[in-house]
Amino acid sequence: SAVISQKPSRDICQRGTSLTIQCQVDSQVTMMFWYRQQPGQSLTLIATANQGSEATYESGFVIDKFPISRPNLTFSTLTVSNMSPEDSSIYLCSVEMGEYASYQETQYFGPGTRLLVL
Amino acid sequence: QKEVEQNSGPLSVPEGAIASLNCTYSDRVSQSFFWYRQYSGKSPELIMSIYSNGDKEDGRFTAQLNKASQYVSLLIRDSQPSDSATYLCAVSGRALTFGSGTRLQVQP
Repeated sequence: SAVISQKPSRDICQRGTSLTIQCQVDSQVTMMFWYRQQPGQSLTLIATANQGSEATYESGFVIDKFPISRPNLTFSTLTVSNMSPEDSSIYLCSVEMGEYASYQETQYFGPGTRLLVL
Repeated sequence: QKEVEQNSGPLSVPEGAIASLNCTYSDRVSQSFFWYRQYSGKSPELIMSIYSNGDKEDGRFTAQLNKASQYVSLLIRDSQPSDSATYLCAVSGRALTFGSGTRLQVQP
């Protein structure tokens, strides 16, 4: 599996501001994903980010609110714009890689960014 | 729209017992199935994947898949207090669809 890091690990922000979350992986990957996990809930996919193309957003998520960049095969950013308390959540990036031994495509997660919006 | 259903629990088992976690899914064309473990305050960690009908064993973990019944399960043998976590079932498509998770509590 890959080593995935996210910055920041946590933040407390004021409503109306924006936060950019970085995701770095130690090897080149084609597919990167951004998820949100609200308190006590499961994971919800925000968007899929492929290098060299626009991110694909899931229903309920829009580019103006969650702009994503994918400048190369090891890095992506997610911005949470014009934040409100409802955006308080854990934001997770994941990468799709071949699983050891089976070589089937599998997703591995970064450590997450814990965001609290006041 | 894919749906992945799990019993939210908590499932409480004594130390040393077998914990059985279940998951059903609605999309018949799904081909890959995963179990992730998530400790409180941590990100999901892949523990098992399964792609064909039958059983797949890895240490104390056994994943079982029945595509005809659209059912996938995870058995944890000799459960330990360190297994206490939320277990997320995920089904592949264009991206992963996650169930709501089952909280497992292993009582010492």
